[in-house]
Amino acid sequence: GNSVTQMEGPVTLSEEAFLTINCTYTATGYPSLFWYVQYPGEGLQLLLKATKADDKGSNKGFEATYRKETTSFHLEKGSVQVSDSAVYFCALKGPGNQFYFGTGTSLTVIP
Amino acid sequence: DTGVSQDPRHKITKRGQNVTFRCDPISEHNRLYWYRQTLGQGPEFLTYFQNEAQLEKSRLLSDRFSAERPKGSFSTLEIQRTEQGDSAMYLCASSLGDGSSYEQYFGPGTRLTVT
Repeated sequence: GNSVTQMEGPVTLSEEAFLTINCTYTATGYPSLFWYVQYPGEGLQLLLKATKADDKGSNKGFEATYRKETTSFHLEKGSVQVSDSAVYFCALKGPGNQFYFGTGTSLTVIP
Repeated sequence: DTGVSQDPRHKITKRGQNVTFRCDPISEHNRLYWYRQTLGQGPEFLTYFQNEAQLEKSRLLSDRFSAERPKGSFSTLEIQRTEQGDSAMYLCASSLGDGSSYEQYFGPGTRLTVT
């Protein structure tokens, strides 16, 4: 079946620290992979995506590389800011149109 | 850009009552999704429409849940004979579905509380 396992939070970092949020997946076929972000009081927004193996998605300084050999799609950012405080969701889309989301990782960045 | 809207934003109902939620997608989007999200969890897929056709439905979806998208525009999600376990945030998302994009735009959600 299809599922996403995400690093448990919450994660607290100081401003300018390096961020990694781990995400691994189980899927049939070749899924597309996504990171969504939910800022406080707002709806989910797409942060970045990758549609095939070895693709790197990037946006707002965040990056994630689709690793088929390790079935992973870890989210990274070199220097986090207070404004990055949010909940981050890893997700996959399988062969149909169902999307599968992880449980979310809460990030708090302190000045 | 009006985004995806949902109505109502909050609904409190007594167990056993029926409730109906509405979602208005972005106007040119032909794909529409419903999700349920409980506290501390990610969105859980419920059902998917392409235009007016309901093409996929989660096996976890109880028979008490039904969704429609008449004319391929807005959609409604109805829950009959609500139970306390139905308390959750109900999210709607839409997408254009062109090529391999599948970027979903989410609405603010309807928070349902069943007492």
